[in-house]
Amino acid sequence: EAQVTQNPRYLITVTGKKLTVTCSQNMNHEYMSWYRQDPGLGLRQIYYSMNVEVTDKGDVPEGYKVSRKEKRNFPLILESPSPNQTSLYFCASSSSGANVLTFGAGSRLTVL
Amino acid sequence: SQQGEEDPQALSIQEGENATMNCSYKTSINNLQWYRQNSGRGLVHLILIRSNEREKHSGRLRVTLDTSKKSSSLLITASRAADTASYFCATSTSGSARQLTFGSGTQLTVLP
Repeated sequence: EAQVTQNPRYLITVTGKKLTVTCSQNMNHEYMSWYRQDPGLGLRQIYYSMNVEVTDKGDVPEGYKVSRKEKRNFPLILESPSPNQTSLYFCASSSSGANVLTFGAGSRLTVL
Repeated sequence: SQQGEEDPQALSIQEGENATMNCSYKTSINNLQWYRQNSGRGLVHLILIRSNEREKHSGRLRVTLDTSKKSSSLLITASRAADTASYFCATSTSGSARQLTFGSGTQLTVLP
């Protein structure tokens, strides 16, 4: 089944403890992206990647890092999480030239 | 940056009724898309309408686009309880998924 898989789905952590949210897609998509969703703010793009080793900032990149060493994986790294990064995170992917995103099921992160 | 704004923010209807949601945007677009999100889950693409199209149908969904008013509407006919979800419009200025900008969504509740 074509899908985007995120892990973990739920995570509670404490301020300053580094964490990584993994994202993997099995559709051979070139484009991958991370969004965060907060009440009343819709989805805001954190980082995106057009292809392997090509990443760029979205609208809200502060406090996050990403890497794209393999085509299928696009992990989101929070080096020193803070409470304002408590949010619902989505990874999404798309083939190059396509307009439509395929989303993962989401990762709900709570930073205490 | 948020481009699309959905209206209303919340809508509650009886099963069998039609549901209409609106989206307004600010700048010229290449296409506009609608996505559905079930509670706490990832977004699922519903339909895409290009800037040179005025109306599009997919099953019980009907989307209209008025580029002169910079607005779109999503009509769900004969709604079902399973249609209960949040609905988001997303605009693309270039036609690339990279530049999709999401609104804050309309929460639709269909009462049985």
